Amino acid sequence: QKEVEQNSGPLSVPEGAIASLNCTYSDRGSQSFFWYRQYSGKSPELIMSIYSNGDKEDGRFTAQLNKASQYVSLLIRDSQPSDSATYLCAVSLYGGSQGNLIFGKGTKLSVKP
Amino acid sequence: DAGVTQSPTHLIKTRGQQVTLRCSPKSGHDTVSWYQQALGQGPQFIFQYYEEEERQRGNFPDRFSGHQFPNYSSELNVNALLLGDSALYLCASSPGGSSNQPQHFGDGTRLSIL
Repeated sequence: QKEVEQNSGPLSVPEGAIASLNCTYSDRGSQSFFWYRQYSGKSPELIMSIYSNGDKEDGRFTAQLNKASQYVSLLIRDSQPSDSATYLCAVSLYGGSQGNLIFGKGTKLSVKP
Repeated sequence: DAGVTQSPTHLIKTRGQQVTLRCSPKSGHDTVSWYQQALGQGPQFIFQYYEEEERQRGNFPDRFSGHQFPNYSSELNVNALLLGDSALYLCASSPGGSSNQPQHFGDGTRLSIL
């Protein structure tokens, strides 16, 4: 059974701090990795995609991928109260467009003013 | 540029009934995937449609069926509804073929079974 594991949290950080979210996956053949943000009662919103080992930065967000350790992380710098949401890690065996995304249960992040 | 649109927003049904949910993909996208998200869980993949055919299917019973139309819009049908089918149903679209583009989600349909 292909699995994606995340710490459910809640993860609580003060405003302005760095939030670190982690994800591990079971299928070594996974090719594409995504972070989605989901506010309560809303649908998932894509934040980052990463396909190769290393770091990828976009504004305050940095995704890190280590395929050897089967580990993906998301760093949020200068965290804001508006970042409070559930963050979903998703993995695919294919390119992002094809086939299914396998999601973790999500990590709930709370940023305290 | 309209994103992924889903209808209806909310739906209440009773056990044993049938339901049809609809999805229009983002402009330029021809692949539609459907997911079920139960409360407190991550989305679970139901199936994906590309070129009007089911390309891949998750671990859902055949009470769940779908269709894709020539304009790339899609329907999800669920027969013989069970209480456990209560969930947020999400449609995601993406460019097809071997594209490496990510899937983008619509706002979802919240289905409640009484």
